[in-house]
Amino acid sequence: DSGVTQTPKHLITATGQRVTLRCSPRSGDLSVYWYQQSLDQGLQFLIQYYNGEERAKGNILERFSAQQFPDLHSELNLSSLELGDSALYFCASSASSGPEQYFGPGTRLTVT
Amino acid sequence: ELKVEQNPLFLSMQEGKNYTIYCNYSTTSDRLYWYRQDPGKSLESLFVLLSNGAVKQEGRLMASLDTKARLSTLHITAAVHDLSATYFCAVDMNRDDKIIFGKGTRLHILP
Repeated sequence: DSGVTQTPKHLITATGQRVTLRCSPRSGDLSVYWYQQSLDQGLQFLIQYYNGEERAKGNILERFSAQQFPDLHSELNLSSLELGDSALYFCASSASSGPEQYFGPGTRLTVT
Repeated sequence: ELKVEQNPLFLSMQEGKNYTIYCNYSTTSDRLYWYRQDPGKSLESLFVLLSNGAVKQEGRLMASLDTKARLSTLHITAAVHDLSATYFCAVDMNRDDKIIFGKGTRLHILP
């Protein structure tokens, strides 16, 4: 158990809908990262937040957005969902003192 | 654009054998990560390599980094079935925390 929690574990929704994925980092970790893992795209970095501020952006679509709240939990919002958005979404956290990232269990999103 | 290439992408081997997974990357970076992923599970951090010549070992796995050659290796010694998993290398893009992953090496160890 990495100490990173994600909810929900599974999410099934229809095209065009909007969903919110939630992540709680390990206690004391200030950085939160979001990743998407799909069969055709592999593992892709989406976005990073550090202590509430956006720090790095990867291949995140404009339909997706994220934020980190004062209590350091983070949410990833996915809107106007398409079939191709079906994937595993992982959150990871790291301490300010080191580069190692600890991954949560993931949220499996299925868009029908 | 940073590219990370792993090979092989699939490896089937027998218990007791040694093998090496290679990870090449295309631009300068001095932070390289190795992760393990079991089917349907999350990623588990194995090694973080921070400098040229770094070598880390944990059990039957040993990772090394050559930043001049832009190459990292993950060596498996006397493989056992429990090491069957997918192994990813990932590279930090210029220390700005954008991490680029390789496609993963699916390792299947036959008992």
